[in-house]
Parts: sequence; structure tokens; C-alpha cells
Amino acid sequence: AQSVTQLGSHVSVSEGALVLLRCNYSSSVPPYLFWYVQYPNQGLQLLLKYTSAATLVKGINGFEAEFKKSETSFHLTKPSAHMSDAAEYFCAVRRAGTALIFGKGTTLSVSS
Amino acid sequence: DTAVSQTPKYLVTQMGNDKSIKCEQNLGHDTMYWYKQDSKKFLKIMFSYNNKELIINETVPNRFSPKSPDKAHLNLHINSLELGDSAVYFCASSQDRQSYGYTFGSGTRLTVV
Repeated sequence: AQSVTQLGSHVSVSEGALVLLRCNYSSSVPPYLFWYVQYPNQGLQLLLKYTSAATLVKGINGFEAEFKKSETSFHLTKPSAHMSDAAEYFCAVRRAGTALIFGKGTTLSVSS
Repeated sequence: DTAVSQTPKYLVTQMGNDKSIKCEQNLGHDTMYWYKQDSKKFLKIMFSYNNKELIINETVPNRFSPKSPDKAHLNLHINSLELGDSAVYFCASSQDRQSYGYTFGSGTRLTVV
């Protein structure tokens, strides 16, 4: 069964520092992969998605992710963190023909 | 206009009660979903409907019953509420069952006391 594993339930960075949130997937076939963000008391918002086109995917708010088949990874990065990036981030994989399966989430804290 | 709207936003109720959560989308999407987010923020798919037809029914107690009167609405009825049902329930929709992008509602926080 397809699934994703997010490494690190909590990541803390300083404002202006690099953000790196890790996600590994398990799949027997190239998957469709996603990153979603959830701000406090809100629903989920799509940051970016990989659908077997370019391996480097650019998303909203300056985030990007790189699909690496050899490492079965889809890590999310942002060169310079902003206070407003503090939120919960979810990696997700789409099971063929059905629904999104989410990782357990990573809480990103940004300090000034 | 809110794309996916859920009502109510907060729901506090006693054990044993029956309650419903409503979801409506104005995006013209064919597929709708219910997810449960537990206290550890883990999101799990519960149900999915495509054009009023149930297509996903995960391992969920049969006290939970989804209903889709039309493709713009997907309601969730819960019977005999238990403490463990306390969670945030999210409704989502997508263009169709193959679409990549989901649009989520803002959630319904259910607290069972």
C-alpha cells in the first residue's frame, strides 16, 4: 500500500534560515505526491504537487520540493523562513483512483 | 464565496447523542470526501462520494453514516456519539475521482463530553 513518512514531528528554525521538511514515500509505482499546509484552526491548503512531470516542483509562498526516485523522497524546502510560515505541514500520496493518504505532519516553528 | 463550507464550525455534545455535520461545495466538483483529524493531527480518510455514489468507505464504525443528496452536498451523521469521536472533521472536494487537487473546508471541531 502506498504511504508517506514524515521525518521529524517538529522542526524549529530562525527567521531567514533554510526550511527543510522531510518526506519519504513507499510505492511500487511512481506516485503522485503533495505537500499541504494547515494554519491554526484552518483547513488544508495545497502548497505544491508532483505528478510525474518535472522533478523539481515550485509551489506557493516560495516553497519547492524535489522528487528523488533513488531516495524515494519528496522533501519540502524554502530558502528563507518567514514568521508567517509557522504552521503544520503534511506530505501526502494519492492512492491510485482513490483518496489522498497523509503523513503524520510536521509542525514548523519560526523564531525571530 | 466560500468554496467548501462546513456547518457547524464547532459542536459540543454529550455522549450518546446523535449529530450531523453538513458540507457544501460550490465548485462544481464531482467528488467529495470526509477526513477525520485526531488530537495528534493525523488525517485519515473516512468516506468519499463521486456524483452521489459512495466510492470509498474506510474502516469506520457504522455509527457514522454519510449521505449525499446531490453532488454539491455531503453530510455526515453520527449516532450514539462516543468520547473517541472527538476530533476535527474535514470535508473536501475534487474535480473528479482522478483529480490531484483537493479543496478543503475549514473543519468542524466536534467535542464529545
